[in-house]
Amino acid sequence: QQQVKQSPQSLIVQKGGISIINCAYENTAFDYFPWYQQFPGKGPALLIAIRPDVSEKKEGRFTISFNKSAKQFSLHIMDSQPGDSATYFCAASKSSRTSGTYKYIFGTGTRLKVLA
Amino acid sequence: GAVVSQHPSRVICKSGTSVKIECRSLDFQATTMFWYRQFPKQSLMLMATSNEGSKATYEQGVEKDKFLINHASLTLSTLTVTSAHPEDSSFYICSAMGIYGYTFGSGTRLTVV
Repeated sequence: QQQVKQSPQSLIVQKGGISIINCAYENTAFDYFPWYQQFPGKGPALLIAIRPDVSEKKEGRFTISFNKSAKQFSLHIMDSQPGDSATYFCAASKSSRTSGTYKYIFGTGTRLKVLA
Repeated sequence: GAVVSQHPSRVICKSGTSVKIECRSLDFQATTMFWYRQFPKQSLMLMATSNEGSKATYEQGVEKDKFLINHASLTLSTLTVTSAHPEDSSFYICSAMGIYGYTFGSGTRLTVV
């Protein structure tokens, strides 16, 4: 119930193409779904995030699509660039009623390579 | 924006020694910080949740006596790996929760020889 399944494990896309990464979750109590980008040897950086009350959120070339009934969400990177080559993690969290803290459950990651 | 500084970025230590990793929120106060461990090409695994002024909450399977966490102020949390062994070699990342949500540090590559 606490798992977040992410696919594909790796992805190769031509420059200018669309990169699509998918995640699925089981726990319906999750109420926050962020995507992180991580370069080698660096910590993850927040890209974009969504809550269950909307089905899509777009920020620049990055779009999250959210399907509450299917318990799935995906990241779309439009006009993919070589500089987008990194590992992408989806995550899910729920509010803690006792402490107010949010524990993130991370997906397994997708290594994206964008060919020049 | 929120910045989290993590030091050192890399450390090599001898087996049996202890190593301290610092995580500082530079421009915001963080009542809660998280410590993660990441093996090569794998996801981030939450080790513990650190709350300012109180004991850390450790995830199942994480040895409390081996991974000592101190959150003495609203801007600083430390992780000390005690009596380090080669199997403790990993990438350790902290994350601080502020008004902008979570911000991650740049990570610490620990190598125990």
